[in-house]
Amino acid sequence: QQQVKQSPQSLIVQKGGISIINCAYENTAFDYFPWYQQFPGKGPALLIAIRPDVSEKKEGRFTISFNKSAKQFSLHIMDSQPGDSATYFCAASMIETSGSRLTFGEGTQLTVNP
Amino acid sequence: GAVVSQHPSRVICKSGTSVKIECRSLDFQATTMFWYRQFPKKSLMLMATSNEGSKATYEQGVEKDKFLINHASLTLSTLTVTSAHPEDSSFYICSARGQLAGGPYTDTQYFGPGTRLTVL
Repeated sequence: QQQVKQSPQSLIVQKGGISIINCAYENTAFDYFPWYQQFPGKGPALLIAIRPDVSEKKEGRFTISFNKSAKQFSLHIMDSQPGDSATYFCAASMIETSGSRLTFGEGTQLTVNP
Repeated sequence: GAVVSQHPSRVICKSGTSVKIECRSLDFQATTMFWYRQFPKKSLMLMATSNEGSKATYEQGVEKDKFLINHASLTLSTLTVTSAHPEDSSFYICSARGQLAGGPYTDTQYFGPGTRLTVL
């Protein structure tokens, strides 16, 4: 019930291409879905987040698509750049009941080739 | 945005010694801090949650007597690994949420840069 499943485990994209990472969850009580970017040896940094009352949120080259009925959400990185090469984690939490306790996906290692 | 710092960034210690890691929120009042552990190429594993002025809540399987957490102020939490052993070697990351300086309360967790602990 608390799991968040993330795929793919690794992804290789050419510069300028679109990177797509998917996550699925079981617990319908989740009400906050952030994506984090982590570079080697660094802490995760918040990229973008969405609440279930909207189906899409865009910030620059990053877009979250959210499908409440399917209990799935995805991160799209447009015009992918070598500097985007990092590990990406989706997460979910129940803001109202769990005090922002995050459940993380397993992570996706993205490599953008020049 | 909110900034969270950790100190030290790297620490190497001998087996049996204790190590203290500090986590500070630099520009917001962190009412809640979280401590995570991360193994190479793995996801973040929540160890404990602490609210300022209260005892930490530990996740199942995490030894509270081994991983001592103190959150005595709105800007500082510490994690002490007591009697460290090689299996405690890992990347420890804190995060914080709270009220931004001059701004609203936020549910967003802001992460520190992490501390690499190596126990010989």
